[in-house]
Amino acid sequence: RKEVEQDPGPFNVPEGATVAFNCTYSNSASQSFFWYRQDCRKEPKLLMSVYSSGNEDGRFTAQLNRASQYISLLIRDSKLSDSATYLCVVPGRRANYGQNFVFGPGTRLSVLP
Amino acid sequence: NAGVTQTPKFRILKIGQSMTLQCAQDMNHNYMYWYRQDPGMGLKLIYYSVGAGITDKGEVPNGYNVSRSTTEDFPLRLELAAPSQTSVYFCASSSKDRGQNTEAFFGQGTRLTVV
Repeated sequence: RKEVEQDPGPFNVPEGATVAFNCTYSNSASQSFFWYRQDCRKEPKLLMSVYSSGNEDGRFTAQLNRASQYISLLIRDSKLSDSATYLCVVPGRRANYGQNFVFGPGTRLSVLP
Repeated sequence: NAGVTQTPKFRILKIGQSMTLQCAQDMNHNYMYWYRQDPGMGLKLIYYSVGAGITDKGEVPNGYNVSRSTTEDFPLRLELAAPSQTSVYFCASSSKDRGQNTEAFFGQGTRLTVV
């Protein structure tokens, strides 16, 4: 099983729609999870951290399910400006020598007018 | 706040040439990373560092070298450029807070073309 996998996408949704992305991970010891957003030809930027109890930031909600080893991102009332690639990020397996982040392949979202 | 600064932003190299991609961060982060991203693909870890003087290979280290003589700087060296190294290179840094990873901050990237 790969360290992190995401919905392959792309997701094409109309403005105002609700869309959900899923991400599964294999390292059961993972503690810190993030969702990043990457616009075309730009660097990834943090969208939100994912906490054990789940968290919400405006139209965005992140959930963590440790038992099933997946995290999700829900976007409500999609805007044209939400069009981007969304990257799931989990810690890697190099626990004995520090850590590194493992980025998922990303799920591309296009919000259509 | 500068954050993570990468130079140059763009570069064209001829096959066999060498160059160093510079990366500096001013957030006193211990952890630094180099990723490459090919068109339409995800990020692949080249090298990372957990502190000054300590580096380790990532997923795709062949053809690259790094050094970390200071906390702030983490240059990436390409010794003999090959067309397969045409990519966008991102440097990032992060820290730990009470044992947990904090977010990674990225530089704006270096677009490298090898011809």
